[in-house]
Amino acid sequence: QSALTQPASVSGSPGQSITISCTGTSSDVGSYNLVSWYQQHPGKAPKLMIYEVSKRPSGVSNRFSGSKSGNTASLTISGLQAEDEADYYCCAYTGNSTPVLFGGGTKLTVL
Amino acid sequence: EVQLLESGGGLVQPGGSLRLSCEASGFTFSSYAMSWVRQAPGKGLEWVSGISGSDTTYNADSVKGRFTISRDKSKNTLYLQMDSLGVEDTAVYYCAKSKGVIIAYFDYWGQGTLVTVSS
Repeated sequence: QSALTQPASVSGSPGQSITISCTGTSSDVGSYNLVSWYQQHPGKAPKLMIYEVSKRPSGVSNRFSGSKSGNTASLTISGLQAEDEADYYCCAYTGNSTPVLFGGGTKLTVL
Repeated sequence: EVQLLESGGGLVQPGGSLRLSCEASGFTFSSYAMSWVRQAPGKGLEWVSGISGSDTTYNADSVKGRFTISRDKSKNTLYLQMDSLGVEDTAVYYCAKSKGVIIAYFDYWGQGTLVTVSS
């Protein structure tokens, strides 16, 4: 199975909004509302930011939101802040013997 | 407070073996799915192995037949036995807890343990 497809990089200025896409197939992203997003700062462990497409764990800013349309999921960060600069990974449930797939990751640069 | 503490990483020669451990605390370990996720230097995340809440195990194709995941509920510890290691297995290995009994997404992660396969 191939990894989910994400853009390698996105950038935005403080205060702006950006969206990161995550494209899978009808067997993963398109089949289940079990898409999650992770933020990873250099040298740190990943942190869950969004689960079940659009739910935020306790403590995650409401500037982070998720959505899905067909085989593509999206993470939107509004009101960009310097501390949002990080790598972001999407992850989707597949329901098969390889239960989850990760995207290749997107590096967010806050200009 | 949920804590996941990995150990067992290190330098190993190609063809060698290593066993990683992940000591869990702050939640009912036996009730949740757990996984190992790795990250090669400068690369993205790759799910490696997982064990469901009912103890069904799963492995990525890249490690099938070489890696074995298990857990000891009496010790609240997750293991990853890695055999026939190759240079492509060099990575930071993270222990990750699922939010439920299936392997779908990961709400807590350990700090990672580095495995280096080199001669």
